[in-house]
Amino acid sequence: DAGVTQSPTHLIKTRGQQVTLRCSPISGHKSVSWYQQVLGQGPQFIFQYYEKEERGRGNFPDRFSARQFPNYSSELNVNALLLGDSALYLCASSSREFGNQPQHFGDGTRLSIL
Amino acid sequence: AQKVTQAQTEISVVEKEDVTLDCVYETRDTTYYLFWYKQPPSGELVFLIRRNSFDEQNEISGRYSWNFQKSTSSFNFTITASQVVDSAVYFCALKGGSQGNLIFGKGTKLSVKP
Repeated sequence: DAGVTQSPTHLIKTRGQQVTLRCSPISGHKSVSWYQQVLGQGPQFIFQYYEKEERGRGNFPDRFSARQFPNYSSELNVNALLLGDSALYLCASSSREFGNQPQHFGDGTRLSIL
Repeated sequence: AQKVTQAQTEISVVEKEDVTLDCVYETRDTTYYLFWYKQPPSGELVFLIRRNSFDEQNEISGRYSWNFQKSTSSFNFTITASQVVDSAVYFCALKGGSQGNLIFGKGTKLSVKP
């Protein structure tokens, strides 16, 4: 079975632009979470979606938004990009919303803001 | 508040040495889950192990072993006879019983030299 897939792999944008990142979860997984990982730090939680509803949100500004589609794939949108948004964006899927099921991560999208 | 602390920023060992990565966590939840992930230079986070708060049994898997001690809020990870392929950043993560997101430590970069 395919793992979590993310696209694009790399992206270069300039300040003020908008970006959309995409994620396809492992088949059968209904929960998708997004994380931001700045160089040298651990991943920070941005959003969790389960059954197409937002179930959790981390401490990120309203410039960040996301949605989940009927096929459980997800998009993360970031508006009015700032230099500080440069990071690795990771998508993770799991079979359940809560509990001890591990989250499985994709390879990430590396976003660079010039 | 929930928090994960990995006090060791970087560790360098010579191949075949044993190495222990420390993880200390804080939570007020009575039910919670702990995880270890490995992040090689390619960037993907690879799930290694999970432990439930109500299961303090330690585990050994090949060269890997984990020591969970609730009394000291620690969940340490030991690699026996380290190999160059073990070189990566290792993250400890916590999830509350009624939470869907992971809280990560800052990671420990392990370098294994031949």
